Amino acid sequence: KAGVTQTPRYLIKTRGQQVTLSCSPISGHRSVSWYQQTPGQGLQFLFEYFSETQRNKGNFPGRFSGRQFSNSRSEMNVSTLELGDSALYLCASSLKTGAGNTEAFFGQGTRLTVV
Amino acid sequence: QKEVEQNSGPLSVPEGAIASLNCTYSDRGSQSFFWYRQYSGKSPELIMSIYSNGDKEDGRFTAQLNKASQYVSLLIRDSQPSDSATYLCAVLRTGGYQKVTFGIGTKLQVIP
Repeated sequence: KAGVTQTPRYLIKTRGQQVTLSCSPISGHRSVSWYQQTPGQGLQFLFEYFSETQRNKGNFPGRFSGRQFSNSRSEMNVSTLELGDSALYLCASSLKTGAGNTEAFFGQGTRLTVV
Repeated sequence: QKEVEQNSGPLSVPEGAIASLNCTYSDRGSQSFFWYRQYSGKSPELIMSIYSNGDKEDGRFTAQLNKASQYVSLLIRDSQPSDSATYLCAVLRTGGYQKVTFGIGTKLQVIP
């Protein structure tokens, strides 16, 4: 069974540019969450999508956006990049059970460097 | 107060010893608790999940949950150098939407 696939693995962008990251969840998983990980802040929740709807959003500026497609694949976009956006961006997929107890499985991440 | 608190470490234990990793959380509505292991430069890997009070054992790993004290821990028996990693505690609250909050992680060093 294939895991969570994130592309690209590494990315270097210039300040002011925009970037789009992609995440393909585990087959059958409909919930996709995005996280930003930096050494000082740890894992910070960006947003969660379920059945193409954003269900929850973290405390990030509007420059961070996302979407989910009908096949559960998700994209995350960051516009007007800042140096502080340099981080590891992780996507996690979940199979939501009826009880709501959901284990999240992470992709390998996209390492974004803004110069 | 952080929603999920962990000591960032490093926690150093000798090979063969028991490593004890602790986590406290502030949201009493939290329902599911997870431990992830993250090696340097890699993504987090789920190693344990626990949903009810008490202990849950899986091989050398034991997760302990005490909802009254809002405390969850991970014990690693017979620690090996390959266990050296950062261990992330994650707490899930459901109710209309899912919100998973991670602690900063505890860096574990197992000394041969």
